Amino acid sequence: AQKITQTQPGMFVQEKEAVTLDCTYDTSDQSYGLFWYKQPSSGEMIFLIYQGSYDEQNATEGRYSLNFQKARKSANLVISASQLGDSAMYFCAMRERSRRQLTFGSGTQLTVLP
Amino acid sequence: SAVISQKPSRDICQRGTSLTIQCQVDSQVTMMFWYRQQPGQSLTLIATANQGSEATYESGFVIDKFPISRPNLTFSTLTVSNMSPEDSSIYLCSVDPRTQGGYGYTFGSGTRLTVV
Repeated sequence: AQKITQTQPGMFVQEKEAVTLDCTYDTSDQSYGLFWYKQPSSGEMIFLIYQGSYDEQNATEGRYSLNFQKARKSANLVISASQLGDSAMYFCAMRERSRRQLTFGSGTQLTVLP
Repeated sequence: SAVISQKPSRDICQRGTSLTIQCQVDSQVTMMFWYRQQPGQSLTLIATANQGSEATYESGFVIDKFPISRPNLTFSTLTVSNMSPEDSSIYLCSVDPRTQGGYGYTFGSGTRLTVV
């Protein structure tokens, strides 16, 4: 079974609008961490935001926020006030307590339209 | 957070040859990870490299094809051996940030490999 599922292969958003990228996960661990990364066409992986499974508040980092719904096992990324430079591939990832490495979803290609 | 210098950034190689990718970290880290990203795909873990011990390979990856060295706590290499066009991918190294008290795993800038 997929541990990280991103159901949106591609998304379009108008500049200055908000967009939500979906991510659901599957784990039996009680302690885990959820991450979002941005990958521009250059190929580098840019860390955006982190949410721990025991964190009671949703994580926020500037224009990025994570809508964490533990019971639904979802960790959606919300980007507010989209900019043209936000156009990139976005990956959701998870680290389970039992493993040190990240497991990645299939990614969502976001295109911001002028 | 740690800064990783990864070399080369890109290369075009002939089939049957080998390429060694280097990652240098600006601080000591316990674990380093090597990922492969095939065209249009997500990242797949190749192996985890600890200093002073053999790397641990994921299912589908073998040491003969992807030998890894980890001579100290700041450096690691991944070799892609006897290359075929199917090895054309982006290869990325990464480190666990928790040794610096951080959260986000840091990645090298990637090596874009094309095998012809």
